Amino acid sequence: QKEVEQDPGPLSVPEGAIVSLNCTYSNSAFQYFMWYRQYSRKGPELLMYTYSSGNKEDGRFTAQVDKSSKYISLFIRDSQPSDSATYLCAMSPSEDMRFGAGTRLTVKP
Amino acid sequence: SAVISQKPSRDICQRGTSLTIQCQVDSQVTMMFWYRQQPGQSLTLIATANQGSEATYESGFVIDKFPISRPNLTFSTLTVSNMSPEDSSIYLCSVVQFTGELFFGEGSRLTVL
Repeated sequence: QKEVEQDPGPLSVPEGAIVSLNCTYSNSAFQYFMWYRQYSRKGPELLMYTYSSGNKEDGRFTAQVDKSSKYISLFIRDSQPSDSATYLCAMSPSEDMRFGAGTRLTVKP
Repeated sequence: SAVISQKPSRDICQRGTSLTIQCQVDSQVTMMFWYRQQPGQSLTLIATANQGSEATYESGFVIDKFPISRPNLTFSTLTVSNMSPEDSSIYLCSVVQFTGELFFGEGSRLTVL
């Protein structure tokens, strides 16, 4: 079993839809949770950074962490074609980061 | 956030040769890492670049193949030695800021013929 599981998709939604991206994990020691967006031929860009459980909102993006279920989510409201990218979840107990496989998202105009 | 510059951004190399990738950060950071991202795959940690001492390698990666230097807090190099087509990949430098956030450079896309 992988430490971090993420559905690779692909996921295709119409413009304006709410997108839900998810990861599950097995290591209860994970404390830091991140979401990265990676456009084609670019390096990953940090979107959201959360410590421990709870929600964090930044514009159209909301990150949720449920440590009891070992489950994290990223919600994108009012999705735009410019949101089309691969989204990677990442988590760690300290500095040793573990990445999900990435979910490829396409938002169609 | 830290600004990370990686060079070269891409290169095409011949089998058996070596390539050194440079990573420069615009501010002091706590940790620097090198990752590999193979086509269609997620990120795999190669090693942690330690300032002034030998890098710490992950399972499956060795110093002879991927020598790493980090002479100061803001600069590191990764060399891919004796390259084969299987080494074709994107190599990414990443840093941890004092806030704990992990940032990536744009990556170096390597093609080995």
